[in-house]
Amino acid sequence: GAGVSQSPSNKVTEKGKDVELRCDPISGHTALYWYRQSLGQGLEFLIYFQGNSAPDKSGLPSDRFSAERTGGSVSTLTIQRTQQEDSAVYLCASSLDGRNEKLFFGSGTQLSVL
Amino acid sequence: GQNIDQPTEMTATEGAIVQINCTYQTSGFNGLFWYQQHAGEAPTFLSYNVLDGLEEKGRFSSFLSRSKGYSYLLLKELQMKDSASYLCAPLGGKLQFGAGTQVVVTP
Repeated sequence: GAGVSQSPSNKVTEKGKDVELRCDPISGHTALYWYRQSLGQGLEFLIYFQGNSAPDKSGLPSDRFSAERTGGSVSTLTIQRTQQEDSAVYLCASSLDGRNEKLFFGSGTQLSVL
Repeated sequence: GQNIDQPTEMTATEGAIVQINCTYQTSGFNGLFWYQQHAGEAPTFLSYNVLDGLEEKGRFSSFLSRSKGYSYLLLKELQMKDSASYLCAPLGGKLQFGAGTQVVVTP
């Protein structure tokens, strides 16, 4: 596609529910990143994919968080048993090959856990 | 790991110059990015330095010293639309972002 697409743009959920966030990277981009940004804070690295594999999962905050990428394209970030502290904007970005390439960001998913 | 340090906020008047400093420590180094983020929007790419020295791109310039773990972003002829957060992002094993410097441009 023309840009990185994320859905939903907004998600309100109750504490304890599971949520799935989706990212469609730019066509042909092999590298895909997930970041989290709380209000007024910087970007917190979550996970990085090169193709379908995730060489770096070090940023995932807990085992409630998981991510997968299939077909070297779409990625989903799943948060199980959501907590209020999970409330943030979840940003996805892609780059051509993950090496010295600038990132193109999606508009993010605003997650609110009540 | 990576430590990234940049000022929290800077204020300047329209037409002025502002320099945003960034110091970093990374495991490995493959270049340094600067991104701009307006409130409520996603970050957008500004610049990328991989070699020491100054890269000039219109009103924005970025400088890198790899030996000192130091970079700065220079914004010249400030405009109101430049009010945004500026994120320093060194690329080590992964791309980590600093907390950002909020630049406020006043009339």
